[in-house]
Amino acid sequence: NAGVTQTPKFQVLKTGQSMTLQCAQDMNHEYMSWYRQDPGMGLRLIHYSVGAGITDQGEVPNGYNVSRSTTEDFPLRLLSAAPSQTSVYFCASSYRTVSGANVLTFGAGSRLTVL
Amino acid sequence: DQQVKQNSPSLSVQEGRISILNCDYTNSMFDYFLWYKKYPAEGPTFLISISSIKDKNEDGRFTVFLNKSAKHLSLHIVPSQPGDSAVYFCAASGDNNNDMRFGAGTRLTVKP
Repeated sequence: NAGVTQTPKFQVLKTGQSMTLQCAQDMNHEYMSWYRQDPGMGLRLIHYSVGAGITDQGEVPNGYNVSRSTTEDFPLRLLSAAPSQTSVYFCASSYRTVSGANVLTFGAGSRLTVL
Repeated sequence: DQQVKQNSPSLSVQEGRISILNCDYTNSMFDYFLWYKKYPAEGPTFLISISSIKDKNEDGRFTVFLNKSAKHLSLHIVPSQPGDSAVYFCAASGDNNNDMRFGAGTRLTVKP
């Protein structure tokens, strides 16, 4: 059972380059999201999707694009990388517990460095 | 604005003793509170949750306490084990995932 799979694990970019972080889940979860983790900041929501064909912005969406053509895949695109986008990125999907809480299942993370 | 705060960046305890991790929040509209645990080079994993209508939830060695009047929750680990050494994130949300907010995390070290 793979859960949430992210690729690549590591990436180094130069300022201005573009790239796509891939995310796939095999749990048939409708909700998927991207977070970034920075020191002292916790996890911040970049974009999310409540189902195929539907996406929306989170707390820190600038500089990122997403699409959701299938339930399984939710790629994150950096259009023109900036040093401020140096971070660890986590993709997640979610399920609801019996008590009603939405629980996120995270991928292993993608560490991005922008020079 | 940091709606969820974990004021202790790190905590060190002896194996077998109690670990208490604290979390404060500012938004009284949060309905659910969750704790996640993160090992190096891995994604966070769900540990335990509590809804706003309860003040305690227990799962084995882990207990979460919620004090709504103080807007404070805590995670108790008893007894602490070296394998519990990790970063613990507190999170809070309403009924939607898109409003989930995370604290900055507390690094717990359990010494043998």
